[in-house]
Amino acid sequence: SAVISQKPSRDICQRGTSLTIQCQVDSQVTMMFWYRQQPGQSLTLIATANQGSEATYESGFVIDKFPISRPNLTFSTLTVSNMSPEDSSIYLCSVVVLEAFFGQGTRLTVV
Amino acid sequence: GNSVTQMEGPVTLSEEAFLTINCTYTATGYPSLFWYVQYPGEGLQLLLKATKADDKGSNKGFEATYRKETTSFHLEKGSVQVSDSAVYFCALSSGTGNQFYFGTGTSLTVIP
Repeated sequence: SAVISQKPSRDICQRGTSLTIQCQVDSQVTMMFWYRQQPGQSLTLIATANQGSEATYESGFVIDKFPISRPNLTFSTLTVSNMSPEDSSIYLCSVVVLEAFFGQGTRLTVV
Repeated sequence: GNSVTQMEGPVTLSEEAFLTINCTYTATGYPSLFWYVQYPGEGLQLLLKATKADDKGSNKGFEATYRKETTSFHLEKGSVQVSDSAVYFCALSSGTGNQFYFGTGTSLTVIP
C-alpha cells in the first residue's frame, strides 16, 4: 500500500499567480501521476513524473503551464502557473502499487 | 487503445434498492479492472478489483465480475444504504505500465 500526503488541501488564488502543490509518499515509487478533476467530471491525467527525468505530459497540457518537479522517489510537486478561473479544479497526485492510491486532493479556486 | 465507458448518472435510489452501474472497457493486453469510490469531500479510494477474467471483486456488499467475453465490469449491490451515496469510478490498468484509465464517474444518491 501507499499513503500520500498532499498539500495544500485547498486554496483561493488571484488570477495571474502560481500555486505549487506538493505530494509526499511514504514509500519509494518510480512514477507519480498528476490528475485534474473538474467539477462533476472524471479524472484527466495531466502528466507522469519520473524521478531523474522530465515529466511526460498528456495532450493539452504543457510544461510551461504545469511544471513538475520530481527530486526523489518519494516526493513531487505540480505548479499551476499564471492561473485563470478556468484552472479552478481539484488536483490529485497518485501512485500505483498494485492499485492506484491518491492524495486527498487540492481544491483550487481562482478568482 | 485503452478506455473505459461508464454509465452516466446521476442515479437516485431508495434505500434497500438494487444497484447496477454499468462499465465496459477496451484494452490492449490483459488489464486489471477496478472500482473506486469518492465520498463527499474525500479522495478516491479503492472499492474492489479483479485482475483476470471471471474474477469477482467484492467489498462492503458491492460486487463486480470481470467478463472478458463482454468486456464488462458492472458494479452491483443488492441493497443500498444512504451511506453508499458517493461517486463511483470504473478504471482499468493496462498491465503494461502503471497508468490507470478512468470512466467518467457515476454519482449515486440514496434516499431514505
